[in-house]
Amino acid sequence: GAGVSQSPSNKVTEKGKDVELRCDPISGHTALYWYRQSLGQGLEFLIYFQGNSAPDKSGLPSDRFSAERTGGSVSTLTIQRTQQEDSAVYLCASSWGFGAQPQHFGDGTRLSIL
Amino acid sequence: GQQLNQSPQSMFIQEGEDVSMNCTSSSIFNTWLWYKQDPGEGPVLLIALYKAGELTSNGRLTAQFGITRKDSFLNISASIPSDVGIYFCAGQEFYGGATNKLIFGTGTLLAVQP
Repeated sequence: GAGVSQSPSNKVTEKGKDVELRCDPISGHTALYWYRQSLGQGLEFLIYFQGNSAPDKSGLPSDRFSAERTGGSVSTLTIQRTQQEDSAVYLCASSWGFGAQPQHFGDGTRLSIL
Repeated sequence: GQQLNQSPQSMFIQEGEDVSMNCTSSSIFNTWLWYKQDPGEGPVLLIALYKAGELTSNGRLTAQFGITRKDSFLNISASIPSDVGIYFCAGQEFYGGATNKLIFGTGTLLAVQP
């Protein structure tokens, strides 16, 4: 596609439920990243994929968070047993291959935990 | 998570004025990037800098990669109302593909009075 596509754009769910957030990167981009942006804050790195493997998962805040990528394209970020502190905008970015390639962002999923 | 020191936090200026913002880090980065974020959207890449001392322009925007590799600045000349938004700096580490994550600044909110 023309840009990074994320769905849903908004998600409201009850505390304790599981949620899945989807990212469709720019066609041909092999690198994919997830970030989290809390209200009024900068972006916090969560996980990085190169192809289908995740060399850096260091930003995942707890074992309730997991992500996968299949076919070197679409990625899903899953949050299990959601807590209110998980409320944030979850942003996905993609870039060409290795190296210092600039990352291009989607518009994010705004997650609200009631 | 780790964030870069970005200043100022906010700026309220008149249309036509020039703007300057900067970012500092205790760590060395291989790449510096500047993004702009509008409400409800993801960050949009403005300028990418790849070499210490590099000075790069994009229209009315000029950014520099500090020679110590620990800082960067962004200047906007002759501001216009559509420059309103939040500006983020980001530093990128690159170690042979092990991680390409971005470390973001805390953001500068720019308001332009017509």
